[in-house]
Amino acid sequence: GAVVSQHPSWVICKSGTSVKIECRSLDFQATTMFWYRQFPKQSLMLMATSNEGSKATYEQGVEKDKFLINHASLTLSTLTVTSAHPEDSSFYICSASGGGQEKLFFGSGTQLSVL
Amino acid sequence: GEDVEQSLFLSVREGDSSVINCTYTDSSSTYLYWYKQEPGAGLQLLTYIFSNMDMKQDQRLTVLLNKKDKHLSLRIADTQTGDSAIYFCAETGTGGFKTIFGAGTRLFVKA
Repeated sequence: GAVVSQHPSWVICKSGTSVKIECRSLDFQATTMFWYRQFPKQSLMLMATSNEGSKATYEQGVEKDKFLINHASLTLSTLTVTSAHPEDSSFYICSASGGGQEKLFFGSGTQLSVL
Repeated sequence: GEDVEQSLFLSVREGDSSVINCTYTDSSSTYLYWYKQEPGAGLQLLTYIFSNMDMKQDQRLTVLLNKKDKHLSLRIADTQTGDSAIYFCAETGTGGFKTIFGAGTRLFVKA
């Protein structure tokens, strides 16, 4: 089946620094990628939808200047958490669809801890 | 590592009940979820169940959990054409962080 690689799996950073998370589709062209956030013991929350070559569509309440999403190619989308603060600590997961398939394929997630 | 498995396809007639099954391997699962994905859209949380429960009902949806067999099911009563979508089973282990998803079950509802 299709594979989505997400990197890094976990990251610890100091408050005020920026962190970039990559999401790659390894064997198909991902025309659409989604970024989610999950707080402990809660369900996933969709943050934004990203189509290749166009600006991401952010969900209500998600700061687009805080969470920068770039989907410059059909196999790569990045999420950059700018000037991270402890409240940004969370589990971030991406998913991708494309290649003629309707299904979503998920990355393995990134655990971000901001000190 | 942990794994979540579910059947790939299910086809039912409108008005019938649909049952989507899921098995998981993580014995420390604390939360189990069912998500729905409609074409071109992200995930929508349908319902969830805590691991200390064995059943949860929410309108047309019934979730059954057999913790001994690590088996989760979602029953949709009076299935409608609007229920056609992909349904993902997911589980979260202790600590409540990482969520593992199944590959999704494609539900086709025939009028």
